[in-house]
Amino acid sequence: AQTVTQSQPEMSVQEAETVTLSCTYDTSESDYYLFWYKQPPSRQMILVIRQEAYKQQNATENRFSVNFQKAAKSFSLKISDSQLGDAAMYFCAYRSAPDKLIFGTGTRLQVFP
Amino acid sequence: DVKVTQSSRYLVKRTGEKVFLECVQDMDHENMFWYRQDPGLGLRLIYFSYDVKMKEKGDIPEGYSVSREKKERFSLILESASTNQTSMYLCASSLRGRVTEAFFGQGTRLTVV
Repeated sequence: AQTVTQSQPEMSVQEAETVTLSCTYDTSESDYYLFWYKQPPSRQMILVIRQEAYKQQNATENRFSVNFQKAAKSFSLKISDSQLGDAAMYFCAYRSAPDKLIFGTGTRLQVFP
Repeated sequence: DVKVTQSSRYLVKRTGEKVFLECVQDMDHENMFWYRQDPGLGLRLIYFSYDVKMKEKGDIPEGYSVSREKKERFSLILESASTNQTSMYLCASSLRGRVTEAFFGQGTRLTVV
């Protein structure tokens, strides 16, 4: 069975600084997708970024980028120029056939002014 | 905008009661999911449905059942609620395909007393 591990229960960062959230996963499959979702205090989960396993180029969405290391089964999220609105729970997720979506335990990010 | 609506934001039920959690999506999504979210455990998949009347067990299906009679509605049923089912329940939906984004409801905080 696939598993997703987030080893950092909590992280903190100063406003305008950069922070990296870690995620590792375990799978025997070669074709899959990886995601980072954000859950702010309002509880509404939203997609931050996604990465296809077959693409070597790391995905980027504005201030958010990933470091995808397929051989190491590692998928970290880098947030640049952190803002107060980035404070939230961040979940790493894995998806393969048949579309099941498996989440990690989450990392709570605090952003200090 | 995609909307995933969960019938209740907060619910209090008694031990032994049969509990129905309803989820409706308005974007004709094939996939629907039920998760429970607990501190330190992240989101754990209870059941997944990839089409009307089709379902697949997730990681923690014990004590739960689901119903999907119509494409837009996915119900989670607690046959006989117990205190260890006190949790946050999140519903999500997505189009078919591993790349697709999952959209989440606001969550139902269920307390079983």
